[in-house]
Order: sequence, then C-alpha cells, then structure tokens
Amino acid sequence: NAGVTQTPKFQVLKTGQSMTLQCAQDMNHNSMYWYRQDPGMGLRLIYYSASEGTTDKGEVPNGYNVSRLNKREFSLRLESAAPSQTSVYFCASSEGQGNEKLFFGSGTQLSVL
Amino acid sequence: GEDVEQSLFLSVREGDSSVINCTYTDSSSTYLYWYKQEPGAGLQLLTYIFSNMDMKQDQRLTVLLNKKDKHLSLRIADTQTGDSAIYFCAESMGYIPTFGRGTSLIVHP
Repeated sequence: NAGVTQTPKFQVLKTGQSMTLQCAQDMNHNSMYWYRQDPGMGLRLIYYSASEGTTDKGEVPNGYNVSRLNKREFSLRLESAAPSQTSVYFCASSEGQGNEKLFFGSGTQLSVL
Repeated sequence: GEDVEQSLFLSVREGDSSVINCTYTDSSSTYLYWYKQEPGAGLQLLTYIFSNMDMKQDQRLTVLLNKKDKHLSLRIADTQTGDSAIYFCAESMGYIPTFGRGTSLIVHP
C-alpha cells in the first residue's frame, strides 16, 4: 500500500519554464491537497479538491493551476515558473468526511533559477 | 495574522519530557491535530483530539486541550533522539486544516 506518491522528487527549472507535479493516492480518498513549504512559513495551501470533479483555491494559488484527473490523481501545474516558486511541494489526501486526517506524500523539491 | 501559532524551537535532553505548545483562534474548530515531519520527508499524523475532549493519551504522547484558552499541547514522555523532528499543530473545521509554522524539537544526549 503506497499511500500518496509524488513525482518528481527533485526538479530544477529556469524562469519561464513550465512543469507539472504529479500526485496519486491509492486509499480511495475523496479530498486531495497541494501545499508548499517554505522556511519559517510552515505549510501554505495552494489548491484543494474536496471531491472528484471539484477544485478550489487555497491561500496562495497565484501562478498555479490544478487538475483533478480522477479520484486517484491530482496534478499541480506551473505555467511560467518564477524564482518565488522555489519551494518544497507536498501533496496530501484525506477521506473528506469531516475529520480531515491528512496523509502526505514525500514532497517535491523545486528550484527555479 | 496567523490562525495557529507555535514557538519555533524546543531543545530537551534525552530522557526528559518535551512539551510543545500551540494556540489557535477558531473557536469552532472541531478537530485539532499533531503532525511530525522528519528531515526530507512529508508530514505524518501523530495524533488528534476532538474538540469536546480535554485529554488524549497514546503511549508516550499526551495531548491536552484547553478550549477556553484555545491552547493545545503535546507532551512526549521519555524523549529519544528519534523524536527530533518538526512538529506541526493543525486545526480543522470542515475540509481545510490550517497548520502552524512548526516547532523544531532538538533532542541532545
């Protein structure tokens, strides 16, 4: 049982390049989330998907787009990467029944030069 | 301002108890959580408490909730070097947990 799988683990981009971070969960969870973690800032929510077919903005959505491809997969896209998007990105999932115990992936470390 | 606040660092000696504190602002929070993050890894849920409880114990972990003061604490008994990590407090009402900035626990011999 893999839980939440994120790819890639590391990525270096040049300013203006685009890329998609992939996330998949095998726990039949309804809700999925994308967070970024920056030193001293804790976790900040970028986007979330309460259920298949829905997505909503979080605290810091600018510069990102998401796709809830199916119940298992939730991808995060950077259309034109900026140095301010250098961060560690975490995908998470939860049952979505009110007690939101989150299960996290191992993260993607992204550097934008 | 922050919804969930934690001190950034805590240093303890191996074998001592650690107490990590958290304050939150949303009085309608239904669940409060503690997560642990080890270096290079994602967050892992340690424990959680429902808002109508005052205390929850799970082996070496004790969670205390003071709803009146909106204060949550995590006590780790007999702290070991393997407990060195960042600990995050989070509150939840509905789908979206809100996390604190995390407390780095350093355990030294």
